[in-house]
Amino acid sequence: QVQLQESGPGLVKPSQTLSLTCSVSGGSISRGNYYWSWIRQPAGKGLEWIGRIYTSGNTNYHPSLKSRVTISLDTSKNQFSLKLNSVTAADTAVYYCARWADDTSGYYYVQYWGQGALVTVSS
Amino acid sequence: QSVLTQPPSVSGAIGQRVTISCTGSSSNIGAGFDVHWYQQLPGIAPKLLIYGNINRPSGVPDRFSGSKSGTSASLVITGLQAEDEADYYCQSYDNRQRGYWVFGGGTELTV
Repeated sequence: QVQLQESGPGLVKPSQTLSLTCSVSGGSISRGNYYWSWIRQPAGKGLEWIGRIYTSGNTNYHPSLKSRVTISLDTSKNQFSLKLNSVTAADTAVYYCARWADDTSGYYYVQYWGQGALVTVSS
Repeated sequence: QSVLTQPPSVSGAIGQRVTISCTGSSSNIGAGFDVHWYQQLPGIAPKLLIYGNINRPSGVPDRFSGSKSGTSASLVITGLQAEDEADYYCQSYDNRQRGYWVFGGGTELTV
């Protein structure tokens, strides 16, 4: 059973960089045909896909965030990370890391979710 | 504003049937991309309910069913139970720009 756990600062100042790490257990992030993603949810609002990284390292980001986002893999630690720069209060949200279903299945849905990490942007 | 449009809220009595719609466009649902549905209980991560428009993962009751037609999809819940009270999200893929995954704005179900 794959498990994901987010970690990182819960408070970030405006204009600074939000950094989160997702630790993965129960499977290797460098094996298989999987997309690893970050998804966020502001309080009382819906889900927003931030971006993804494939097992190979290829990335793709939400058009509205791509100028500020970087997602990367650390295969030595079996982790992947999110960096979102120039944050504002609008970036305050619960951030989930996620693994999508096997790419070879042809279906692209979230199979495993982390528990979520609240990040507040405030001075 | 979400790329996929859902009603903000729906309600139904115990034992009744409700339908939650998810309306997209020619760049996502209408382009043939699959729709998936998630249930989110308060304070926890979403859980997959329907994948590939109509398929239920193991463990999901057959009271939940999905369909897709044209630029829209629907989630139907029959025999409503109190524990179905939650937020529901549809998700698909949009092929504009380099392509990206999209979620609906979510629907709050009150039982």
